[in-house]
Formats: sequence, structure tokens, C-alpha cells
Amino acid sequence: QQQVKQSPQSLIVQKGGIPIINCAYENTAFDYFPWYQQFPGKGPALLIAIRPDVSEKKEGRFTISFNKSAKQFSLHIMDSQPGDSATYFCAASSGGATNKLIFGTGTLLAVQP
Amino acid sequence: NAGVMQNPRHLVRRRGQEARLRCSPMKGHSHVYWYRQLPEEGLKFMVYLQKENIIDESGMPKERFSAEFPKEGPSILRIQQVVRGDSAAYFCASSPLAGGDEQFFGPGTRLTVL
Repeated sequence: QQQVKQSPQSLIVQKGGIPIINCAYENTAFDYFPWYQQFPGKGPALLIAIRPDVSEKKEGRFTISFNKSAKQFSLHIMDSQPGDSATYFCAASSGGATNKLIFGTGTLLAVQP
Repeated sequence: NAGVMQNPRHLVRRRGQEARLRCSPMKGHSHVYWYRQLPEEGLKFMVYLQKENIIDESGMPKERFSAEFPKEGPSILRIQQVVRGDSAAYFCASSPLAGGDEQFFGPGTRLTVL
């Protein structure tokens, strides 16, 4: 019940395309859903995050769509660029005293020029 | 404002040796998380510490692993008698608030056990 399932495992798009990465969860106590971007040899960097009281959040070219009833959320990258090529992780936490993050398994995105 | 710092960035140990990984949180942050990332996998929570206190160690292996965050100095993740299966990237994240949402990650320490 603590798992966050992420798909696809890898994704290739052309420059300007809109890659979509999906995550699903079971634990209804989760109330914070961030997305992290990780380049090879680097630590994860927070990209955008959402709480379940909204269905969509947009920051620049990155959009999170959230479906509370389906317990799913997704990341859309508009007008993708080769520099967006990285591994993307979704995560979830249930707050409380710890607020530990439960991560998905990651999606390796390649944006071809 | 320096980010989360981790050292060493790369660490090679032989089986049976000890590994010590250090993490200095962002300035003003007093909450530290440690995560482990095995090859081709996502990050797995290990432990959450505040200054001088372990708050949640539910993700720590029962043996050989320990963590501390002293009043002065960096947080330390210690792995005793390392085995090949300990080879992974270990990431530290810090947060300014107790149970705060945003966690800021360091560059990681990549441990290789020969």
C-alpha cells in the first residue's frame, strides 16, 4: 500500500513533443505529490508538486494533472527540449511527523533534436 | 546560499570495511533525510533525523547501518562491514521544517563495494 507505480519505464519523444509520465498510488493518506528531475550523476531536483485539493498545476512548461478518485497523477512536459532529457521520478508523502517520500521507479526521458 | 553538501562524492570500499557518508544540510535546515538508490531503481527512504534525534528509521536495515545528526557538524550515515549489495547511491535531503513538504537533495555519494 506504500507503493507508487510509475510508467513508462522509458520514453523517447521528438523535440517539441509532449511526453506524459503517469503514476498511481494506493495509500489514500498521501497528500503531497512532487515530481523530481534527475540528471546523470546528480541528485534529484524538485520540479513541481501538487496537493489533492486541486486537479491541475502548471509551472512553466511542466503540468501536473491529478485524479483523486482514480488515485493517479501525471506529468506533462510542453514543448519538450533536448535539455529535458533526464530521469523523472514521481513521489508521494502522507505528511505527519516524518513526511518521508515514497518514490516511483523512474522514467528515463530522451528528447531527440 | 549553498545547497545540500555530501562527501565524499565517490567512495570505494572492500567487503568488510566501514563506510562513512557525510551530509551538511542547507543553511537554516535542521531536518535531514537519507535515501538509497540502487541501480535502475527509485530512491528508498532510510532514515529521518533532526538535530540529536532519530525521528524515523523505519527504512534502515536492522544490522550494520546507523545514522546520527549531532548538535554540531554534519549528519553521518555509517555502514559497518560493507557487502557488495550495499553498492548504491546514497542521497541526503534537508528540509527547513519538521515534516516539511519540500526536501532539497544533495548530489549523492556513490558507494562501490569491491
